[in-house]
Parts: sequence; C-alpha cells; structure tokens
Amino acid sequence: ILNVEQSPQSLHVQEGDSTNFTCSFPSSNFYALHWYRWETAKSPEALFVMTLNGDEKKKGRISATLNTKEGYSYLYIKGSQPEDSATYLCAFLRGTALIFGKGTTLSVSS
Amino acid sequence: DVKVTQSSRYLVKRTGEKVFLECVQDMDHENMFWYRQDPGLGLRLIYFSYDVKMKEKGDIPEGYSVSREKKERFSLILESASTNQTSMYLCASTTGVETQYFGPGTRLLVL
Repeated sequence: ILNVEQSPQSLHVQEGDSTNFTCSFPSSNFYALHWYRWETAKSPEALFVMTLNGDEKKKGRISATLNTKEGYSYLYIKGSQPEDSATYLCAFLRGTALIFGKGTTLSVSS
Repeated sequence: DVKVTQSSRYLVKRTGEKVFLECVQDMDHENMFWYRQDPGLGLRLIYFSYDVKMKEKGDIPEGYSVSREKKERFSLILESASTNQTSMYLCASTTGVETQYFGPGTRLLVL
C-alpha cells in the first residue's frame, strides 16, 4: 500500500497568521496530487489538482506547490481566518483511485 | 452543481444485519468510490467502480461488497455487519482522474 504522509497532524493558529502544511508521496509513477478541504459536518471539497512538477496553484488566500521529483507538496494559507478551520487532505492518484493522507487539522482562533 | 447524495446521514444497525448504503450522483460520472473514515486513519478506499457492473477492490474490501447496476448509483453492502464496521462512510464520484465530488457521508453505528 502506498503511503501518503501529511504533517503536522494538527495545527492551532491565531487569526491573521500564515501557515503551511506538507504532503509527502511516492515520487515514482506520479500522475496527480489532489488537495481537499473538509469542514466539520460537510463533505470534502476539492481545492487543487496538481499534475506537473513545479506546479503552483492559487485560490484566494490558499496556494499550493508541487515537487514530483522529491515527492512533496506544500499548502499555504496566508492570513488565516476562522473560516479556514478544517481538515486539509492531500491524495495521490494511483490508477483511477486516490490514496489519501490522514490530513492536517487546522484550527484558527479569532 | 454536481450533486452526490447518500441514502442516510445516520444509521444504527445490529451485529449480523445486512446493511445497504446507497449513493447517487447526477453528473453522469463514470467512476464512483466508497471510503470509510476513522479517527487517526484518514479516508481509506473500500471499493470503486469505473463503469456499470464493473468493480475493483480498494485497500480494505474485507467484509464489504458493492453493486453498480446503473451508472448513477453505487451501493455498498455489509453482508453481516460487525462492530468494527462502525464508521463514517463517504461516497465520491468523478469523471476520469479529475476532482472527486463527495457525498455528505453516512455515520453508521453497529451495536
């Protein structure tokens, strides 16, 4: 079974802080890396699908980078807000299916 | 908007019962997936289907089966529910290898 590792497991920041998380995945046979945000009592929602080495994607205050050669992706949140509180999941594409990491749970205090 | 619905949000069943969890998507997606989510373990793939009547085992298929008779519907079956199948079950769908769209989840308690 492929391992997708995320760190840290959880994070608590103050409103306005910027933060970042790491996702590590196998660097061989790479096709795509997905990022999802999962808020309590809601369904996971897609943030980014990243396919090319060196990819950088941005959605509002959230951005992500991808390094397929060394097998990692970073997710950055600039100026965290309480509504950013959620679990952030990365997932490695294996064939048709996604292999998920255990997630990083972010809590933002106002 | 893509919509993925699951038949129940909460379900309580007894050990040994046969349990059906149903998932329906309205976007004509080829691929559908069943995951379970447990604290500290993340989302784990149980089964997936890439076409009607086609299925593939995921990482933890033991104790489960699936059915896909129509493109829009993917059912997860617990033939004889056990307490270790108490979990949150999530269905997802996608076309190709793009973004997966998730349902709201079913929280199953097996007593």
